[in-house]
Amino acid sequence: DVKVTQSSRYLVKRTGEKVFLECVQDMDHENMFWYRQDPGLGLRLIYFSYDVKMKEKGDIPEGYSVSREKKERFSLILESASTNQTSMYLCASSSQSAGVIYNEQFFGPGTRLTVL
Amino acid sequence: GENVEQHPSTLSVQEGDSAVIKCTYSDSASNYFPWYKQELGKGPQLIIDIRSNVGEKKDQRIAVTLNKTAKHFSLHITETQPEDSAVYFCAASIEGGGADGLTFGKGTHLIIQP
Repeated sequence: DVKVTQSSRYLVKRTGEKVFLECVQDMDHENMFWYRQDPGLGLRLIYFSYDVKMKEKGDIPEGYSVSREKKERFSLILESASTNQTSMYLCASSSQSAGVIYNEQFFGPGTRLTVL
Repeated sequence: GENVEQHPSTLSVQEGDSAVIKCTYSDSASNYFPWYKQELGKGPQLIIDIRSNVGEKKDQRIAVTLNKTAKHFSLHITETQPEDSAVYFCAASIEGGGADGLTFGKGTHLIIQP
């Protein structure tokens, strides 16, 4: 059974703290993604990675960075957390199977981050 | 970039009735249109998708239609059941949603009334 896991379901941090959100997938997928989900705004792409050590900015990368040192792990970093980064963060992964152009994204359960 | 509009934001239907959720997209180059269902406390899960070379696809009680000329696509759920209650997201992708991510609509909260 395919699985994407996120390190925490709930996280509370203080303004200015450095925050790490971890995501691990066990499907040997090449692509990994970080989204944030806010009421009324849907899912917005923060960053994605299509290979180890590779990263690409999504639609809302400001205030975030990412790290992908191993194929199965993709980390989202908030260098200095702010209250407007309070949100639900979702990680996803997908494959680059040869001959398959359209690839389903598998999502983790999400991390609800509150910044006080 | 791509922009996806989704309507309605909330939809309440009686159990057994049909539900329709509509989405429009802006970039005519988009060629992959998945629908995701998100249950409470869980991440979104793909329920059906459609490519630009077909106009309709059906899977049991769920169907999706695509009109490329008008740049809109719709999700149809027939004979709704309580377990259909969830938030549904449409999405569009130019490159196929693999390495480039998906552009999502804002979601529709579907409520099935007993």
